[in-house]
Amino acid sequence: NAGVTQTPKFQVLKTGQSMTLQCAQDMNHNSMYWYRQDPGMGLRLIYYSASEGTTDKGEVPNGYNVSRLNKREFSLRLESAAPSQTSVYFCASRGQPGETQYFGPGTRLLVL
Amino acid sequence: QKEVEQNSGPLSVPEGAIASLNCTYSDRGSQSFFWYRQYSGKSPELIMFIYSNGDKEDGRFTAQLNKASQYVSLLIRDSQPSDSATYLCAVMTHADGLTFGKGTHLIIQP
Repeated sequence: NAGVTQTPKFQVLKTGQSMTLQCAQDMNHNSMYWYRQDPGMGLRLIYYSASEGTTDKGEVPNGYNVSRLNKREFSLRLESAAPSQTSVYFCASRGQPGETQYFGPGTRLLVL
Repeated sequence: QKEVEQNSGPLSVPEGAIASLNCTYSDRGSQSFFWYRQYSGKSPELIMFIYSNGDKEDGRFTAQLNKASQYVSLLIRDSQPSDSATYLCAVMTHADGLTFGKGTHLIIQP
């Protein structure tokens, strides 16, 4: 049982490049989330998926798109990366409403 | 706008003493409250959760919730150097994810 996994662990992009961050969970959870964490800003919700086939915007969705590929996988895409998207990205999943979220190890993204 | 406020610290506590971490939240509809610990360069890990007013104890950790005052706290008894980390308070309402505070940096001095 790996919990929540994320790939890649670290990525460097040039401004304007695109990339997809992958997330998978093996806990049969319904809900999945993408957060970004910046110094002094805490963790902020980008997008979430309450169940397979649904996605919704969080607090900071601009510049991102998501896909809930199936119940296990939830990807985050940057179509045209900007330096302001330099951050650490965490994926999380949750079973039932009110339960805690479990976090993946994070992806460190540097946009030059 | 849902807000969760924490003192960023650093909060310095001698080894063996009680560390007290505080959090206030703005949304009166909040139903679930979580404390996460995050070591530098690592992902958040759950320490405690609390849903009802009052105290909840788990080993050296006690979470306290006062919904009337919109206040959540975490007490760490017999603090150890390994407790040095950033502690994140998080609040959940419905299905739209967690709203996090910016975290309190705790330093346990040997």
